Amino acid sequence: SQKIEQNSEALNIQEGKTATLTCNYTNYSPAYLQWYRQDPGRGPVFLLLIRENEKEKRKERLKVTFDTTLKQSLFHITASQPADSATYLCAPDSGGGADGLTFGKGTHLIIQP
Amino acid sequence: DTGVSQDPRHKITKRGQNVTFRCDPISEHNRLYWYRQTLGQGPEFLTYFQNEAQLEKSRLLSDRFSAERPKGSFSTLEIQRTEQGDSAMYLCASSLGWASGRTYNEQFFGPGTRLTVL
Repeated sequence: SQKIEQNSEALNIQEGKTATLTCNYTNYSPAYLQWYRQDPGRGPVFLLLIRENEKEKRKERLKVTFDTTLKQSLFHITASQPADSATYLCAPDSGGGADGLTFGKGTHLIIQP
Repeated sequence: DTGVSQDPRHKITKRGQNVTFRCDPISEHNRLYWYRQTLGQGPEFLTYFQNEAQLEKSRLLSDRFSAERPKGSFSTLEIQRTEQGDSAMYLCASSLGWASGRTYNEQFFGPGTRLTVL
């Protein structure tokens, strides 16, 4: 069956450092992989999407990599700030827009001042 | 505000009662999704609509759950004979879908309706 694994424990990072979150998937061949941010009591917010033929995607302080051989995506936040503290969800996407997304459990990121 | 809205934001009900939630998507979005999220888990897909047609239902959507999108705009999710296991955050999302020529599924989520079944 399809499985998505994200860091199960909370990730504590000191302000100013780079936070790296991992998303591993099995029994998937996603055409895209999406990352969302979710704050407590709120719905997820779309951050970035990376295609299977892209190695890396950047948006301001965010960087996503996608390794289809390792079946892994890494999500980096550089120069992290306390406001980056949230849960980050990954969602492999088969493409075509036909299906609902399947999300990982998310990684709870805490940026300490 | 042109984002996805959901009503109510919180609902407390007794076991066995029926509840109905409403979702208003972003106006130009033809796709509408319902998800359920419990504490410590990611959102789990329930069902989705393209315009007024319900095109997919998850196995999570038992017979007690029904969703409608009668005019292809807002949607309702009804849960009949609620059970304590139905307690969760119910999230609605919308997306542009095929109309824009997109082939990926960037979704815009509402704030959710938190259901507590006593």
